[in-house]
Amino acid sequence: DAGITQSPRHKVTETGTPVTLRCHQTENHRYMYWYRQDPGHGLRLIHYSYGVKDTDKGEVSDGYSVSRSKTEDFLLTLESATSSQTSVYFCACHRGQGTEAFFGQGTRLTVV
Amino acid sequence: AQSVTQPDIHITVSEGASLELRCNYSYGATPYLFWYVQSPGQGLQLLLKYFSGDTLVQGIKGFEAEFKRSQSSFNLRKPSVHWSDAAEYFCAVGQYSGAGSYQLTFGKGTKLSVIP
Repeated sequence: DAGITQSPRHKVTETGTPVTLRCHQTENHRYMYWYRQDPGHGLRLIHYSYGVKDTDKGEVSDGYSVSRSKTEDFLLTLESATSSQTSVYFCACHRGQGTEAFFGQGTRLTVV
Repeated sequence: AQSVTQPDIHITVSEGASLELRCNYSYGATPYLFWYVQSPGQGLQLLLKYFSGDTLVQGIKGFEAEFKRSQSSFNLRKPSVHWSDAAEYFCAVGQYSGAGSYQLTFGKGTKLSVIP
């Protein structure tokens, strides 16, 4: 499973507060992704990274930012959490183009 | 931009029956194609993948998928479904967009229920 750890696994936060989710991998994979999963929408890409300090936006990036200062860590920040950002967030990573992507166990975020 | 369509939101089959889950993609070149499975409360696990070569690919748990370029499809099949196959299935497309950037896009998923 590429040693992917997401933290925290569960979080409840208040509207308007900043929140940071962490994804940590131990396999030195180049590519890392953040997705959100919502009923009826499947997995939607928020941001992704193709190397240290190389990131790009996905289809639902508004309200989110990311940082990747070292290979093993990919941080997702909700700058000012809103109720619409209540979701399950998954991190994924893989070694190169076309290789298998490994997923973390997910973070369930509730914004109240 | 690439896109992935899974037309069936929910499918119910009887145990022992055959299964086909549909996936269509939109992408100019031959894409990297994947099927993943997600059990409740879990992350996603790879079932199989296609890059090139033989258009019929075999995966884990007795699943197979066939790539049809003319139909832009990558349908997942299993000859005989087991109750443990009940899960949600996701088709995914990988696209290399240059400058080292590679993006993995998922369909909305098909939930499979199995009647004993």
